[in-house]
Amino acid sequence: AQTVTQSQPEMSVQEAETVTLSCTYDTSESNYYLFWYKQPPSRQMILVIRQEAYKQQNATENRFSVNFQKAAKSFSLKISDSQLGDTAMYFCAFIRNQGGKLIFGQGTELSVKP
Amino acid sequence: GAGVSQSPSNKVTEKGKDVELRCDPISGHTALYWYRQSLGQGLEFLIYFQGNSAPDKSGLPSDRFSAERTGGSVSTLTIQRTQQEDSAVYLCASSLGLAGGVGETQYFGPGTRLLVL
Repeated sequence: AQTVTQSQPEMSVQEAETVTLSCTYDTSESNYYLFWYKQPPSRQMILVIRQEAYKQQNATENRFSVNFQKAAKSFSLKISDSQLGDTAMYFCAFIRNQGGKLIFGQGTELSVKP
Repeated sequence: GAGVSQSPSNKVTEKGKDVELRCDPISGHTALYWYRQSLGQGLEFLIYFQGNSAPDKSGLPSDRFSAERTGGSVSTLTIQRTQQEDSAVYLCASSLGLAGGVGETQYFGPGTRLLVL
């Protein structure tokens, strides 16, 4: 069975600084997809970034980038130039190549302070 | 275009009553998912539809929970004889499904917050 672990329940960062959120996962599969979702207080789950396991290149989306280490089963999210609007709960998630359910980590609550 | 919509936004019910939660996926998305988010359990998968069939309903916690999808679009999650432990936010997501290939992104609705008194 696949598992996803986020070991940082809470983090804080000053506005304009950089922060990295950690995620590790466990799977025996070789092909899969990884995601970071953001959930602000409005509770709408919003996709931040997606990574295909077969791609060695790390995904980037504007200020958001990942460090994907397949052998180590690690998938961290780096947020550069943090903004107040980045304050939210961040979830790391895994899905098998065949699709179906997302498996989520426990979440990291990020606070961006002015 | 419109995103995933869910209704009601909030629902307060008494223990023992039945409730129905509705999800309207993004137009053209053939796959639909229900998840539950509670303080103690985090985000849990409940059930997955591809079209009108449910290839994976392994996450339904008991036989009090059921879901259906008709016309390949709207889905209803029904909880019978609600218990206090059913209090949670119920999230619905949709994706392109078979038309989109494997591992496609799931897009979430705003959720229904259920409180059982």
